[in-house]
Amino acid sequence: DAGITQSPRHKVTETGTPVTLRCHQTENHRYMYWYRQDPGHGLRLIHYSYGVKDTDKGEVSDGYSVSRSKTEDFLLTLESATSSQTSVYFCAISDSRRIEQYFGPGTRLTVT
Amino acid sequence: AQSVAQPEDQVNVAEGNPLTVKCTYSVSGNPYLFWYVQYPNRGLQFLLKYITGDNLVKGSYGFEAEFNKSQTSFHLKKPSALVSDSALYFCAVSATSGTYKYIFGTGTRLKVLA
Repeated sequence: DAGITQSPRHKVTETGTPVTLRCHQTENHRYMYWYRQDPGHGLRLIHYSYGVKDTDKGEVSDGYSVSRSKTEDFLLTLESATSSQTSVYFCAISDSRRIEQYFGPGTRLTVT
Repeated sequence: AQSVAQPEDQVNVAEGNPLTVKCTYSVSGNPYLFWYVQYPNRGLQFLLKYITGDNLVKGSYGFEAEFNKSQTSFHLKKPSALVSDSALYFCAVSATSGTYKYIFGTGTRLKVLA
C-alpha cells in the first residue's frame, strides 16, 4: 500500500466520545487526504492537506477536524462521534509529479 | 461543479469475454481521470489515469480506458475477463490544477463468472 499505514485498523467507540485516526506515510508526499466510504456513496472527501499545517475542508467535513504537524502524519479527529460517522475511513497521498492518489488500508470505525 | 457517474451498480461478464465498466463525468475545463479497483477489505489500488494525449490509456493487469471528450466518458475495458478481476471499480475525476482533489463515482461491482 505504497508506504501508507493507518491506525487503528478497527475501532468501536460510543456516541459522544472523541476519536482520532492516524495516517502515516513514508513517501514524503506533499498532499494527504481523508475519505470515508459508505455503500451507495463511493468515497467522499472529508479533509485534505497540501502541506504541513495547511489543510482545507472537503465535501463532508462537518463533525471532523484534522491536523498535520509533520509531513508524514495526518490526523483525523471526530470531535464527538455519532452513529452517522460509522464508516470505513481511508487516507490517501499524492504529489504533483504523479498526481494519482495512493491509498492506505483503511480504518473500520463503528460508533455504537 | 465536478461530478462522476457510474451508471451500473453491477456488471456481470463471463470469463474470457470482453468487459466494459462505464464512467461519465462533468468538470469545468480539462479533466484528469482515474480508475481504481478495490478488493474485499482492502484499500483502493490505482489502475490507470488519463492526463492528456492519446485517448486510449493502458494500465495495470491488462486494463485500458478510452477517453471520449465529446461524450464526456472514460470507460474501463479489458479484452478478456478473468475471475480474479471480480472486484469493486471506482472512477474518479480531478480538476487539472490545484490540490488534485478527486470526486469519485459510486462504484461498479464487477462479477466475472467462470
